[in-house]
Amino acid sequence: QQQVRQSSQSLTVWEGETAILNCSYENSAFDYFPWYQQFPGEGPALLIAIRSVSDKKEDGRFTIFFNKREKNLSLHIKDSQPGDSATYFCAASNMGYKLTFGTGTSLLVDP
Amino acid sequence: DAGVTQTPRHEVAEKGQTIILKCEPVSGHNDLFWYRQTKIQGLELLSYFRSKSLMEDGGAFKDRFKAEMLNSSFSTLKIQPTEPKDSAVYLCASSSDTSNERLFFGHGTKLSVL
Repeated sequence: QQQVRQSSQSLTVWEGETAILNCSYENSAFDYFPWYQQFPGEGPALLIAIRSVSDKKEDGRFTIFFNKREKNLSLHIKDSQPGDSATYFCAASNMGYKLTFGTGTSLLVDP
Repeated sequence: DAGVTQTPRHEVAEKGQTIILKCEPVSGHNDLFWYRQTKIQGLELLSYFRSKSLMEDGGAFKDRFKAEMLNSSFSTLKIQPTEPKDSAVYLCASSSDTSNERLFFGHGTKLSVL
């Protein structure tokens, strides 16, 4: 049973559009939700994260929207660039214990 | 600061062989993780060490997978015997804080089992 689910395996957007990547989770005890970005041939790297006490976290062109009641969150990438083409992993943890990752969404930004 | 170093980058094994993957975490990091990455399952936790003590050994992976942390700056993952279904990318990650809010990943080892 996947505790963290990413609804799309892949997503394609045009350059300049807003890409929206969705994630949902099962465990109500999860309180920390990072997104990791992975380029081919590299390991994932932390992109942005949110805690369950917040409903929004913004960092430049990247924004997380979080809905605790619905147990879902989304990553919005504003003004998408070809360099944003990568795989994005949603993850969750409870009180700092190990992260549980989703299966990833492969984003392609067409120029 | 050097990042997480994994060797080799690629490994090809025959079914039934024993292979050992290596990882050097970021200097000073106390927590070390081994993950397996496939397109279908995403990132699956194999092992988790805190200050060299094994905290989790990945349940379903106990059978043929054994991770060890020989000292604070070196870890190995042994797969014995290998099977074709073990073909995947194996990622090592480390973290400096007890809350594990930021994992630093290596580039991974791509394993192909024939």
